[in-house]
Amino acid sequence: GAGVSQSPSNKVTEKGKDVELRCDPISGHTALYWYRQSLGQGLEFLIYFQGNSAPDKSGLPSDRFSAERTGGSVSTLTIQRTQQEDSAVYLCASSSDSRYNSPLHFGNGTRLTVT
Amino acid sequence: AQSVTQLGSHVSVSEGALVLLRCNYSSSVPPYLFWYVQYPNQGLQLLLKYTSAATLVKGINGFEAEFKKSETSFHLTKPSAHMSDAAEYFCAVTGSGAGSYQLTFGKGTKLSVIP
Repeated sequence: GAGVSQSPSNKVTEKGKDVELRCDPISGHTALYWYRQSLGQGLEFLIYFQGNSAPDKSGLPSDRFSAERTGGSVSTLTIQRTQQEDSAVYLCASSSDSRYNSPLHFGNGTRLTVT
Repeated sequence: AQSVTQLGSHVSVSEGALVLLRCNYSSSVPPYLFWYVQYPNQGLQLLLKYTSAATLVKGINGFEAEFKKSETSFHLTKPSAHMSDAAEYFCAVTGSGAGSYQLTFGKGTKLSVIP
């Protein structure tokens, strides 16, 4: 079946511009995560959505970052006034439920380059 | 709070040799542990997970990992490396309490396989 889909796969933007990154989770998956992967830094948790509950935004690095999940499915991560340090791969993952041992299914990521 | 340390950001082995990738964790609650693999330009996929049922866990592609509580370790092994094993490997931990949905990842170990 279809996996987690992210778009665009690559995005180059100028410093100061806003960007939107999209994630289509696996159908029926209630939990959705955003992670940021920087070179040599592993994965950094950004935000978590579970069903209709309030999202856990504790990992967002600044108020320039925000995310929405509409209808419990598609999610959009928005970065306003991008900075060079925002350059990274942004990974979306979904899982079938919120249990701690449910595996995450990752998309291929969006590589963001801020020039 | 949990944390993960992966010893060695880059490991090289010869084809057919033993693969050993090290992971140590710290967790204030009984942990659940995972190994994920990331091939170039792809997202992460689950190799195996430990959820307290058995200390020796077998995963896909001939990999296995052993949970050693006394050493707070969860090292990943494979008896004989194959060229297709070249990838980056991430160890991750989460707790078992309510709200422990957030995976904490190590910084990753890039495995190279020399023909």
